[in-house]
Amino acid sequence: AQKITQTQPGMFVQEKEAVTLDCTYDTSDPSYGLFWYKQPSSGEMIFLIYQGSYDQQNATEGRYSLNFQKARKSANLVISASQLGDSAMYFCAMNQGGKLIFGQGTELSVKP
Amino acid sequence: DAGVIQSPRHEVTEMGQEVTLRCKPISGHDYLFWYRQTMMRGLELLIYFNNNVPIDDSGMPEDRFSAKMPNASFSTLKIQPSEPRDSAVYFCASRAHLAIDYNEQFFGPGTRLTVL
Repeated sequence: AQKITQTQPGMFVQEKEAVTLDCTYDTSDPSYGLFWYKQPSSGEMIFLIYQGSYDQQNATEGRYSLNFQKARKSANLVISASQLGDSAMYFCAMNQGGKLIFGQGTELSVKP
Repeated sequence: DAGVIQSPRHEVTEMGQEVTLRCKPISGHDYLFWYRQTMMRGLELLIYFNNNVPIDDSGMPEDRFSAKMPNASFSTLKIQPSEPRDSAVYFCASRAHLAIDYNEQFFGPGTRLTVL
């Protein structure tokens, strides 16, 4: 069965510093997609970034980049130049037959 | 586009009452998903529809839960009778039909359900 693991329940980072949120996955499918979502305290789920299993380059979206290491089955999210507004829960997810399987999430706190 | 619309945003009810949550997906999206989020279990997929047809309801916890999608622009999730352990945030999400490995889902704001 496919599985997503986020081993960091909580993380702290100083404002303006970079931070890496870990995500590992397990699947036997050769084709899959990996997603990161942000959930601020207001509760909505915000899509951040996507990485396809066949993509040759790591995905980037503004200050977000995905460190995709296929052999290690990891898809870590890197946030550069952290801002106070980045404080939130972050979820890694993988598609499985058209539906998304989510990790348990990492709570990121950005310190001023 | 207004995005995925859910109502109500908050619902407080007493144990044993029927609860109906509503969702309007983004126009043109042919997949609709219902999720439940709790502290203990995280985000769980309950059921999803494709072209108004339920495809996978393996996440529906028990017979007290039912979901319908009578047309492309409306879906309901009903709990009857409700129990305190059903207290959670229920999200609806939709997506367009794209390549199978790229399926960005757009989430609604969620319904926070409290069962007393």
